[in-house]
Amino acid sequence: DVKVTQSSRYLVKRTGEKVFLECVQDMDHENMFWYRQDPGLGLRLIYFSYDVKMKEKGDIPEGYSVSREKKERFSLILESASTNQTSMYLCASTEDRRGYTFGSGTRLTVV
Amino acid sequence: KQEVTQIPAALSVPEGENLVLNCSFTDSAIYNLQWFRQDPGKGLTSLLLIQSSQREQTSGRLNASLDKSSGRSTLYIAASQPGDSATYLCAVRDNAGNMLTFGGGTRLMVKP
Repeated sequence: DVKVTQSSRYLVKRTGEKVFLECVQDMDHENMFWYRQDPGLGLRLIYFSYDVKMKEKGDIPEGYSVSREKKERFSLILESASTNQTSMYLCASTEDRRGYTFGSGTRLTVV
Repeated sequence: KQEVTQIPAALSVPEGENLVLNCSFTDSAIYNLQWFRQDPGKGLTSLLLIQSSQREQTSGRLNASLDKSSGRSTLYIAASQPGDSATYLCAVRDNAGNMLTFGGGTRLMVKP
């Protein structure tokens, strides 16, 4: 089975800090995604990548950037964390005709 | 733009009951449809994946059906157990790309 690993389950950061959320998948998938999930708003796509060094904006990219230097790793970067970025962050990967596999999530709190 | 709706938003049933969760989507040009389970504070666990050419998929006590022409999918849970309590999410992948569109989820509680 594909495994998607998010490096942290819980994070607490201060306003203005630069925050890195890491995601690693072990099945050589081309496509990787970052979502955030908020009560009442559901899952919203932040960024996705379909190949190394390639990235595309999702629905809510403002305040975020991403990095994909290796195929297995997709990083989400909060350039200057703000309290409205407190959320659950979910990483996923997929290959053609296969379903998505999600990581266990990172609960980020910005204080 | 694809829209996915799940009804009901919440459901409470006694243990042992068979139940059906509903998912509807507005654009029938889908690539596949996936059902997920999410426990509080956790990530999404894939339950069933139905390709656009398939009518149903089964895994244990779970059965998911797909009717593309009417834009509907159902997740049937047989003999529900308290351990089935979770939020169930339906997501559709369109032909146009790799992105998923999620429904709002159904929060299920199975009472002992």
